[in-house]
Amino acid sequence: DAGVIQSPRHEVTEMGQEVTLRCKPISGHNSLFWYRQTMMRGLELLIYFNNNVPIDDSGMPEDRFSAKMPNASFSTLKIQPSEPRDSAVYFCASSTSTGITEAFFGQGTRLTVV
Amino acid sequence: AQSVAQPEDQVNVAEGNPLTVKCTYSVSGNPYLFWYVQYPNRGLQFLLKYITGDNLVKGSYGFEAEFNKSQTSFHLKKPSALVSDSALYFCAVRAITSGTALIFGKGTTLSVSS
Repeated sequence: DAGVIQSPRHEVTEMGQEVTLRCKPISGHNSLFWYRQTMMRGLELLIYFNNNVPIDDSGMPEDRFSAKMPNASFSTLKIQPSEPRDSAVYFCASSTSTGITEAFFGQGTRLTVV
Repeated sequence: AQSVAQPEDQVNVAEGNPLTVKCTYSVSGNPYLFWYVQYPNRGLQFLLKYITGDNLVKGSYGFEAEFNKSQTSFHLKKPSALVSDSALYFCAVRAITSGTALIFGKGTTLSVSS
């Protein structure tokens, strides 16, 4: 298995532009997580899905952020409009839905908003 | 609410010496506990987990961790550090009774000198 695949690996965009981050979870995993990593705040959970359904989006910073999971093999995290403070590394992770299993992380998308 | 504390931003140790990276947690009910490692510009890699049973768990690369319920701690240890162990280490908790998302600490940078 190729693991969790995220694209793009790097994204540089101008303030006000729309940004879409993509994630393909590991086949057979039915839980998917989006995290954001910054120096100041560490690794924050933004949202997670079970069986394509959003379970907890309380970590989404504000209405500019949205996430979708249209099917078991694809998820997007969208920021519209983007702001410089959104600059961070965004990670997608997946796991089986049983609590005892670890989550597997993608390589991350480094977002820079200028 | 679940939370994880890693009280040290950085741990410095000489190669060949034992290392400890500290973690304490707060969760309602029994926890599932995890350690991950992150190398520069990479995603998080799973090291080990505590689910139930023996309080001392062994994981990848010679690492182990000890679960202490009374102290709500899950410290990561290794008997003899290697320079290649230098990385960012994250402790994470998942509550058995509330969903499947991992909540991470802020991370501890381990620096092993030769």
